[in-house]
Amino acid sequence: GAGVSQTPSNKVTEKGKYVELRCDPISGHTALYWYRQSLGQGPEFLIYFQGTGAADDSGLPNDRFFAVRPEGSVSTLKIQRTERGDSAVYLCASSLTSGGADEQFFGPGTRLTVL
Amino acid sequence: KQEVTQIPAALSVPEGENLVLNCSFTDSAIYNLQWFRQDPGKGLTSLLLIQSSQREQTSGRLNASLDKSSGRSTLYIAASQPGDSATYLCAVKGNTPLVFGKGTRLSVIA
Repeated sequence: GAGVSQTPSNKVTEKGKYVELRCDPISGHTALYWYRQSLGQGPEFLIYFQGTGAADDSGLPNDRFFAVRPEGSVSTLKIQRTERGDSAVYLCASSLTSGGADEQFFGPGTRLTVL
Repeated sequence: KQEVTQIPAALSVPEGENLVLNCSFTDSAIYNLQWFRQDPGKGLTSLLLIQSSQREQTSGRLNASLDKSSGRSTLYIAASQPGDSATYLCAVKGNTPLVFGKGTRLSVIA
């Protein structure tokens, strides 16, 4: 596709439920990043992949959060036992490589609301 | 740990004014700095990317400067228009993925 796409655009769930958020990066981009943006804040890094492997998951807040990228393209962010504090916009970005100078291109985000 | 600060947090100007948004960062060991625009409820649109070896970048009415040694960047918007109203985010890339400021919320009044 022409840009990074994310589905769903909005997700409303109940506390304690499991959710999956999907990201389709730009074709050919080997690096993929997940960020989380709470209301009134800048995005905060969660995890990034170089190819199929998670190169840095230091931003994941706890073990309820997990992400995969099994074929080095599409990625899924999985949240177990959701809590109200997980409500935020989850942003995905991709770049050609994970090299320092490479520009990251962002998707439109998924707005997650946990009731 | 890298920290990015944006001043002011909010700004309201009349149409046609030139304005400057400020961004500062604590660790000067960066590869690049990006300025983004975010409209309410939307994702991030990249405006300008400045590599660490560059001093400035220009795109239309936008000009971004980078002073890496002092940990500062400015985004200059010339002849502001109501359509420029949005939140502007600054982000730096070092050895970790992007670190963002909280943004400056800009309102341009017609």
